[in-house]
Formats: sequence, C-alpha cells, structure tokens
Amino acid sequence: EIVMTQSPGTLSVSPGERVTLSCRASQSVSSNLAWYQQKPGQAPRLLIYAASTRATGIPARFSGSGSGTEFTLTISSLESEDLAVYYCQQYNNWLGTFGQGTKVEIK
Amino acid sequence: EVQMVQSGAEVKKPGESLKISCQGSGYTFSTYWIGWVRQMPGKAPEWMGIIYPLDSDTRYSPSFEGQVTISADKSINTAYLQWSSLKASDSAIYYCARLDASRGSCFYWGQGTLVTVSS
Repeated sequence: EIVMTQSPGTLSVSPGERVTLSCRASQSVSSNLAWYQQKPGQAPRLLIYAASTRATGIPARFSGSGSGTEFTLTISSLESEDLAVYYCQQYNNWLGTFGQGTKVEIK
Repeated sequence: EVQMVQSGAEVKKPGESLKISCQGSGYTFSTYWIGWVRQMPGKAPEWMGIIYPLDSDTRYSPSFEGQVTISADKSINTAYLQWSSLKASDSAIYYCARLDASRGSCFYWGQGTLVTVSS
C-alpha cells in the first residue's frame, strides 16, 4: 500500500496570506494525485487532479504542483471560506489512499 | 446533472446486518467505477473498495476484505455496501463516489450515510 504523508498537520494563517501544503508519497505515483477540501459536515470536494489540473469550478487561487513523490497545494491568497481540512489522494493504483490531512485555521 | 444520492442515517446494534445504498443519476451508471469510502470521526477518508456496475467487477482494500460486501444493480443505477454483523467500530460516515473517467480522482460524491452501531 502506498502511504501518503501530509505536512503540517495544522496551519494557522491570516486571510490574504499565501498557504503551502505538502504531500509526500512512500513511492512514486507519477502525476496520479488529487487534492480535496473538506468542510465540517460535507463530503470531500475535488480541487486538483493529475497533480496540477484544477477541477471544474475551482477558483484560480488554488494550484497544485509536483510529480513522483513530492506534491504541493498552494492557495495564493487565503479567503475565510478556505478554512477546511485538505487531503491529498494518490490514485496510481486502484487503491486510492489518502493522506491524513492538513487543517487550515484562522490565526 | 450528475448526482449521487445515498440512503439515510442508520442506528444499529452490534451483530445486526445492514445494507446502505447509493443511487447515481445524470450519467451512464454502468460504465463508471463507484467507490465506497469510510470516514471515522476526525479522521481521514479511507478507500474501502470499488465496483464496476457493468460487470460487477469488485476490488476491496485489504483492510476491508471479508468485512463488507460491495454490490451493484445496474438496472436501478444503485450501488450497495453491506455488513453481515456490525461492530461498534463500524460507526462512521460512509461515502460513495464516482471515479472520474480514466482517473482515480472523484469529482462526484454522495452526501454520506452516518452509521451508528451501539448497544
């Protein structure tokens, strides 16, 4: 099983700040990586797939980069509505394992 | 419009059986993989398994193999997740999700089914 490790566990930021979240895979997943946002009481929302492609309807302030084992999700200017938990998910094999999540909260 | 609609919350006792459902609409149900995801309180989602409704090809995560059964009825565009004997540790929210074409990412998700197992 491919293990996904996210850092940091929690990020305290102010609105307008640039936010960078990291995700590392235990072995190469090529560009088969997605990022999700999850707010309390809601299903995960797909933000990014194929490591860097924004899903339909996702604002341009969200961007993804990386390949192989190291990936990054960047929020260029945090808005209050972006407070949530963010998960990466690899889908290099059918067993699409998730990372443990990074919680983005207000400083 | 693509929608994944799950059955409602359930409260069960340990040892009871349960079958929850996920009905897809707005697309050709039988030709997209459907996955089931468990999310325990405060924890990350966990992939349980996937099914291809056209031929019922099913794959389970090792952690869930033998613990649950995934099935589908393509005639009514519905996938199922079932337990034969629930445990308290099965208490969680369960999501179904449609795997995107040629990818394992999921744009479309059900609203989740809360399963509570308590004596």
